[in-house]
Amino acid sequence: LAKTTQPISMDSYEGQEVNITCSHNNIATNDYITWYQQFPSQGPRFIIQGYKTKVTNEVASLFIPADRKSSTLSLPRVSLSDTAVYYCLVGDGVTGGGNKLTFGTGTQLKVEL
Amino acid sequence: SQTIHQWPATLVQPVGSPLSLECTVEGTSNPNLYWYRQAAGRGLQLLFYSVGIGQISSEVPQNLSASRPQDRQFILSSKKLLLSDSGFYLCAWSTTMNSEAFFGQGTRLTVV
Repeated sequence: LAKTTQPISMDSYEGQEVNITCSHNNIATNDYITWYQQFPSQGPRFIIQGYKTKVTNEVASLFIPADRKSSTLSLPRVSLSDTAVYYCLVGDGVTGGGNKLTFGTGTQLKVEL
Repeated sequence: SQTIHQWPATLVQPVGSPLSLECTVEGTSNPNLYWYRQAAGRGLQLLFYSVGIGQISSEVPQNLSASRPQDRQFILSSKKLLLSDSGFYLCAWSTTMNSEAFFGQGTRLTVV
């Protein structure tokens, strides 16, 4: 599993757009990029997954440049309830006996009024 | 729909006592199963993962063991708990075709 690097923490205010960047220089050809959100005392929750270019769903967008060595999770107009830890994972979406999901330290996002 | 059950939600155990945490998944077959531990204010540490019945991979040497007696059942055990085993334990499952994982509600273990 490719190693990822994220900022330890970020601060923002309600209504702002937040962009969290993850570096994964050793990403392999078969690796997908997945982001999770975790609130205190809860398990992580899937946010978005992508392979290249841009993916958008109802909660976030994921931007992946052509070289795929990084990715950016974009949260539009954050609210207080978006305060959480955000994890970036890269892993092989093709089974080879299953995939091992290794989480890094994540980015603690704090949203204030 | 798929669901994952993990119990108990909280547990206080004395040092040296045994441990058994159980996780079951419904609504899917042959899932990948995972056990994670999270210390206070820290990230998730992968403890064990399993790709099939009786197939367990251990990620870190430790005082814990895991078993998968049935396709959708994953058990985390210890014969003698240590203070350092305290933490938030999470069970998760994923399909074999992508890396999206679904987590249980977690067990808060305090070893005293």
